[in-house]
Amino acid sequence: DIQMTQSPASLSASVGETVTITCRASENIYSYLAWYQQKQGKSPQLLVYNAKTLAEGVPSRFSGSGSGTQFSLKINSLQPEDFGSYYCQHHYGTPYTFGGGTKLEIK
Amino acid sequence: EVKLEESGGGLVQPGGSMKLSCVASGFTFSNYWMNWVRQSPEKGLEWVAEIRLKSNNYATHYAESVKGRFTISRDDSKSSVYLQMNNLRAEDTGIYYCTPDSDGFAYWGQGTLVTVSA
Repeated sequence: DIQMTQSPASLSASVGETVTITCRASENIYSYLAWYQQKQGKSPQLLVYNAKTLAEGVPSRFSGSGSGTQFSLKINSLQPEDFGSYYCQHHYGTPYTFGGGTKLEIK
Repeated sequence: EVKLEESGGGLVQPGGSMKLSCVASGFTFSNYWMNWVRQSPEKGLEWVAEIRLKSNNYATHYAESVKGRFTISRDDSKSSVYLQMNNLRAEDTGIYYCTPDSDGFAYWGQGTLVTVSA
C-alpha cells in the first residue's frame, strides 16, 4: 500500500502569514493527490485535487503543487477561517491512503 | 445541491454486526463510484471500501483492515449505498462517511458514529 507522510503535524501561524504543508508519497502517484480541510466537528472539505486543481469555491489563496512523490499545499495570507486540520490523500487506486494530518492553529 | 445522509450508527458490542446506510441526492448516483471513509482520533481518516458502477459489475474494493468482515453494496434505484459490518472490533469505532468518487472526495455527509464497546 502507498503510505502518505505529512509534515508538520502541527503548525502555529498568524493571520496574514503564508504557510506551506508538505506531503510525501511512498511511491510515484503522478498527480493523483488531493488536499482536504477539516474544521472541528465538521466533515472534511476538498480543497485541491489532481495535485494542483482547486475544487469549486476554494479561494485562490490556496494552491497545490508537486508530482511524483513530493507535494505541497500553500496558503497565502492566512485568514481566520483557514485554521483547522489539513489532510492529503492519494487517489491513485485503492486503498486511498490519507496522510496523518496537519493541525493549523492561531499564534 | 448534493446531499449525503448517513444513518445506522450506534453502540454495538465487540463481535456484533451493524448496517450503515447512505442516501444521496443532487447528482446522478448511478454514474459515480461510492466510498465509505471512517475517522477516529486514533487512526485519523481511513478509507474503508469502494463500490463501482453497474458497468463495472459493481466491483468492490476494501481496506485490508476490514476485508472479510465488511460488505459494501448499492441500490441505484434508491440512490443508496450500504455498509454491512460484521464481527466488529473496538478499532472499528469512529465516524463513518459516505462519499462519491470524483477526482478526490468532493462531497461528504455529516457521518454516522459507530461505537464498538462492551
